[in-house]
Amino acid sequence: DVKVTQSSRYLVKRTGEKVFLECVQDMDHENMFWYRQDPGLGLRLIYFSYDVKMKEKGDIPEGYSVSREKKERFSLILESASTNQTSMYLCASLNLEMRGEQFFGPGTRLTVL
Amino acid sequence: SQKIEQNSEALNIQEGKTATLTCNYTNYSPAYLQWYRQDPGRGPVFLLLIRENEKEKRKERLKVTFDTTLKQSLFHITASQPADSATYLCALYNDYKLSFGAGTTVTVRA
Repeated sequence: DVKVTQSSRYLVKRTGEKVFLECVQDMDHENMFWYRQDPGLGLRLIYFSYDVKMKEKGDIPEGYSVSREKKERFSLILESASTNQTSMYLCASLNLEMRGEQFFGPGTRLTVL
Repeated sequence: SQKIEQNSEALNIQEGKTATLTCNYTNYSPAYLQWYRQDPGRGPVFLLLIRENEKEKRKERLKVTFDTTLKQSLFHITASQPADSATYLCALYNDYKLSFGAGTTVTVRA
């Protein structure tokens, strides 16, 4: 059974803290993605990666960075967390052979106080 | 600007009826369109994919149509059941990434 896992289901941080969200996939997919999801706004793409050490900005990259040191792991970094980054964060990997079907992790609910 | 709009935020229907959800898009030329289901507190799960040269796709009680002239997809859940209650997202695939609509929450009453 294919799987995408995220390091935490719930996280509470303080304004200004550096936050790491980790995502691991076991499907040997090359493409991985980070989204945030907010009520009424749907899923918005933050960053994505085609391959190890490759990264591309999505629609809302400001305030975030990413790291892809290994194929199976894609990390999202909030350099200095702010209250407007309180959100649900979803990681996904993409199966190019299946024409873009994405497999999502369970999500991390981040609250920044 | 590019936009993906799903017809309404919420749809309430009686068990056994057909739910019809709409996804309209502008300024996209998607290679294919996908539908996902999302339950509260969980990540989306892939349901169906339809290519630009396909008019209709079926999977069990689900049916998807894709009209590239109208720039619209319709998603039907036939013989709906309370277990179908969830949020349904449409997504357009282009340039190795997906763009999502905001979703429609379907509630099926027993």
